[in-house]
Amino acid sequence: AQSVTQPDIHITVSEGASLELRCNYSYGATPYLFWYVQSPGQGLQLLLKYFSGDTLVQGIKGFEAEFKRSQSSFNLRKPSVHWSDAAEYFCAVGARNTGTASKLTFGTGTRLQVTL
Amino acid sequence: SQTIHQWPATLVQPVGSPLSLECTVEGTSNPNLYWYRQAAGRGLQLLFYSIGIGQISSEVPQNLSASRPQDRQFILSSKKLLLSDSGFYLCAWSKGFGANVLTFGAGSRLTVL
Repeated sequence: AQSVTQPDIHITVSEGASLELRCNYSYGATPYLFWYVQSPGQGLQLLLKYFSGDTLVQGIKGFEAEFKRSQSSFNLRKPSVHWSDAAEYFCAVGARNTGTASKLTFGTGTRLQVTL
Repeated sequence: SQTIHQWPATLVQPVGSPLSLECTVEGTSNPNLYWYRQAAGRGLQLLFYSIGIGQISSEVPQNLSASRPQDRQFILSSKKLLLSDSGFYLCAWSKGFGANVLTFGAGSRLTVL
């Protein structure tokens, strides 16, 4: 079965500083990988996804993530954080060729706090 | 464009009372539909998914049930709520098969007292 680990429960960064959120997955083959962001009391919004091809993927709001097969990782990065980036971030993994629905497995999330 | 609606946004219910959360999708046909629950510090847990009218798959045994009476309507229900049913419930939809992108609703916060 697939699983996702987000080792950092809470991260605080200063506005303008760089950010890296860690995500490690467990899956027997090359998975589909996603990063979602959730503002307090809201649903989840897709930031970016990796399906195949270039291992460095660009997303919305200036975020990017790199798929590293050898490390089973899909870390999220942003070169300069804005105060509006404060939110909870979820990494998710999905199996290929399930033939049915998109049964994604989510990590427990990383809460990002941005100080001014 | 497609939109997804959930209601009610907030619900406070006594233990033992029934529950009905509704989710509808607009702007697409034959979507795959999902119910997730988010408990504090525990990420998202897939509860149910549906690939068509009347077709419901349950991921975890629990006190809840789901129904899909229409193509773009997904309902989460309980006959008697437990304290442990408290949480943030998210409906989502996707198109096609395989691990496609999920689009989430704004969520329903349920507090059972």
